[in-house]
Amino acid sequence: EDQVTQSPEALRLQEGESSSLNCSYTVSGLRGLFWYRQDPGKGPEFLFTLYSAGEEKEKERLKATLTKKESFLHITAPKPEDSATYLCAVQDTGYSTLTFGKGTMLLVSP
Amino acid sequence: NAGVTQTPKFQVLKTGQSMTLQCAQDMNHNSMYWYRQDPGMGLRLIYYSASEGTTDKGEVPNGYNVSRLNKREFSLRLESAAPSQTSVYFCASSEVLVLATGLYGYTFGSGTRLTVV
Repeated sequence: EDQVTQSPEALRLQEGESSSLNCSYTVSGLRGLFWYRQDPGKGPEFLFTLYSAGEEKEKERLKATLTKKESFLHITAPKPEDSATYLCAVQDTGYSTLTFGKGTMLLVSP
Repeated sequence: NAGVTQTPKFQVLKTGQSMTLQCAQDMNHNSMYWYRQDPGMGLRLIYYSASEGTTDKGEVPNGYNVSRLNKREFSLRLESAAPSQTSVYFCASSEVLVLATGLYGYTFGSGTRLTVV
C-alpha cells in the first residue's frame, strides 16, 4: 500500500525566512511525485511533477527536489502570498490514481 | 476554458436524504476521479473512471455510487446520507503527460462542501 507522509503539519515563517517542507513516500514503483498548492476554499492547484531521483524543478520562490525516498519543497524568501496548504502526492506504476499526504499548512507573516 | 466544474458548491442534507454531486470537464480528458477531503485525513479517493464506460472503487467507496454519464461528466451519488459523509468533495480529471511512462497530470475542481446533519 502506497504511503505519503508530510512534515511538518504546520509551519509559520516570517517574510523572507527560507525553509523546507518534507514529503516521504513508500511505493512499489514511483511513476511520479506531485506537489500541489491549496488555498482555503479552493481545489488543489498543480505546482510540480518529479519522476526521477535527482530531479529538481523551480517556480518563482519554490524549488522541488526528489530522492528515492523523499521530496523537499524549498521556499526561498517567502512572501505572505505563499501562505497556503502544500500537498504532496504519488502515482504508483500501473495506476492512474494519486495517493496524497495530509499536507503542510504554511503561514507567512509580514 | 472552464476546466473542471462542480455543482453545487455548498449543500446541507439531513441524515437519510439522497443527493447527486455533479462534475463536468471540458478538457477532453479520459480519466475522472472523486476525492473527499477531511481535516487531518488528506485527500482520499472514493471512485474513479479510467475511461468512459468504466468505474472502479477507490480507498473509501462505501456509501457512494458513481456514474460516468459520458466522456465529460462523472457524478457521485449519496443514496442515504450519514453525518460521517460530511466533507469537502473534489472532482478531478487527468490526461497522460508522458506516454512512455504513463505519468498523469491532474486538474481539480473547486469542491463541493457537504454537511449532513
